[in-house]
Amino acid sequence: TQLLEQSPQFLSIQEGENLTVYCNSSSVFSSLQWYRQEPGEGPVLLVTVVTGGEVKKLKRLTFQFGDARKDSSLHITAAQPGDTGLYLCAGVRETSGSRLTFGEGTQLTVNP
Amino acid sequence: NAGVTQTPKFQVLKTGQSMTLQCAQDMNHNSMYWYRQDPGMGLRLIYYSASEGTTDKGEVPNGYNVSRLNKREFSLRLESAAPSQTSVYFCASRGFQGKGQPQHFGDGTRLSIL
Repeated sequence: TQLLEQSPQFLSIQEGENLTVYCNSSSVFSSLQWYRQEPGEGPVLLVTVVTGGEVKKLKRLTFQFGDARKDSSLHITAAQPGDTGLYLCAGVRETSGSRLTFGEGTQLTVNP
Repeated sequence: NAGVTQTPKFQVLKTGQSMTLQCAQDMNHNSMYWYRQDPGMGLRLIYYSASEGTTDKGEVPNGYNVSRLNKREFSLRLESAAPSQTSVYFCASRGFQGKGQPQHFGDGTRLSIL
């Protein structure tokens, strides 16, 4: 059983559409990060959220951390082909030091 | 602008062979990590080193060993490769402790065990 459940696992949409990716757990996290990974490369950090209820915006991307710090979401407005990639959520549990626990990832394809 | 460098980028091994994956970072980071990435499973932590001179097991350590050679370098060794170890391996590093500090990843080593 994955500690962090991401959904959906695959998402294929048309340019201009909106989408939301979810990251859920029964565990509490002291912080949660979202990474984006392109083919042949390692993940690159998009954002970190640390406070329950926190909302952060990065251009057309909006990230939210749940009030109880057990879940998070990534919302993309007016998706573009350049948003195509693998999106990974990763959390640090209170008892795990600096170790990250990753979700399974969401493979997003935005078609022109 | 190197960041985290992994070698080799690709490798094919036969079952039972051994090999060492190399990782070096030039950001003066204390912590280093080895992950494997398999389809539908995200990244799973194999071993990590919180600081020079220390190493600890992660989620999936069986079949692997690590060496933190110095602050810059952290290697992963497969003593007797098995087909189940076919995967993409990523090394990462992290700077000073603190909430939200990112991990910086290399571009991965694609390993196939026949």
